[in-house]
Parts: sequence; structure tokens; C-alpha cells
Amino acid sequence: QQPVQSPQAVILREGEDAVINCSSSKALYSVHWYRQKHGEAPIFLMILLKGGEQKGHDKISASFNEKKQQSSLYLTASQLSYSGTYFCGTEQMEYGNKLVFGAGTILRVKS
Amino acid sequence: GAGVSQSPRYKVTKRGQDVALRCDPISGHVSLYWYRQALGQGPEFLTYFNYEAQQDKSGLPNDRFSAERPEGSISTLTIQRTEQRDSAMYRCASSLAQGSYEQYFGPGTRLTVT
Repeated sequence: QQPVQSPQAVILREGEDAVINCSSSKALYSVHWYRQKHGEAPIFLMILLKGGEQKGHDKISASFNEKKQQSSLYLTASQLSYSGTYFCGTEQMEYGNKLVFGAGTILRVKS
Repeated sequence: GAGVSQSPRYKVTKRGQDVALRCDPISGHVSLYWYRQALGQGPEFLTYFNYEAQQDKSGLPNDRFSAERPEGSISTLTIQRTEQRDSAMYRCASSLAQGSYEQYFGPGTRLTVT
């Protein structure tokens, strides 16, 4: 039931774009995205809901394909501050309101 | 306003001892979640509460783990007869309501069982 994230890690130069994917084998109510820097707590980025609603930061974009139970997080014109580990958390219909998190994608932005 | 706080931030205990980890959520947040996070991994769900009611405890590893939130605010996660495999970062998070609301994570308690 753990969603699969890809890629596992990515290295970018400032200004480059990246896409992080999250795929679930279970039907989903929503997908949540968080970023965690080393030694810190995860920070909320975005929620994508079944039906198309999104809640989150203006500078972050993401998509949710309900038919495929897949979500993608789009990071454009990356900045050094984007570095960290990105986790998707899935709210699965079978398991109610708890979040099941993926293993994470490590993003490193270099100057 | 204040975020989610947890105490202690670090706890070292000997195998076989009981430990209590405390979480103080954001004021007014109905839902409170407990997670365990291994190094380099995503948070692993343990249990959650709406107000004082424990809604789901399916993630608690065994009956040595228990949690309560008696007045619908502060929560305590208790681990009895600790074992070395219990060593991990324990995080709590709170949200306005259950489900599709952002969760605000606390700084965590790093538990080491020797």
C-alpha cells in the first residue's frame, strides 16, 4: 500500500526543472506533498483532491491523475532552497483518513 | 502562533524501561497524528485522534505501544518495556480536521533504546 516515488534522487543546477512522481496501487481520496530538510520536520506543500481541487502554495504545481492513481510534483526554475527530500502521502479509500507516505525523493540543487 | 511541540526532544532509555512521549498540537486543531520515521524514510503512520477519540490505531506495531488524548488537546504516546528496535524518530502532526487537510508536523522525539 506504500506509494512508489520516482526518481529516488535527482541533482539539478539552479534554474533547471524537475518532476517527481508518486504512484499508488490503491484508489485514492487525495495526495499530499511534503518537503523535509535534513534534521527538520516535514513541511506541507500541496494537497490534490479527488475531483480536481488543489490546496497549497502558489509557486508549486502538481497534478493528480485519478484514473491512474498517480500524482506528479513540478518544480520549475529550481532554487537552492528547493533542496531536500520530497514525500508524497496518499489518503487511500481502503484505509480511511490516515496518510501512507512514500519513501521519498532526494532533490539536490547545485549552484 | 505556536506550532506543534513535542517533548522530550531526545530520550535515551535502557531496554525494558517505559517511555512517554508528549505532543502539544496547534491550538484548535481537531486531529492529531502519531508517526514513526526511520532515517531516510517517509513517516510511518501509527495512530490518530479526532478530539479525544482514537480513530485508528492500526499502525501501532504491537500492544506495547499505546496513545491517549484525554482532553482532546495534548497527546501522549507510551511505549512499555522498550526494545532496541523501538529506536527511531517519533513525530506528531496536527490538522484542522481529519482527511484532506494539511498536517503540521512537530520537531519529533529522537528515542534511543540502549
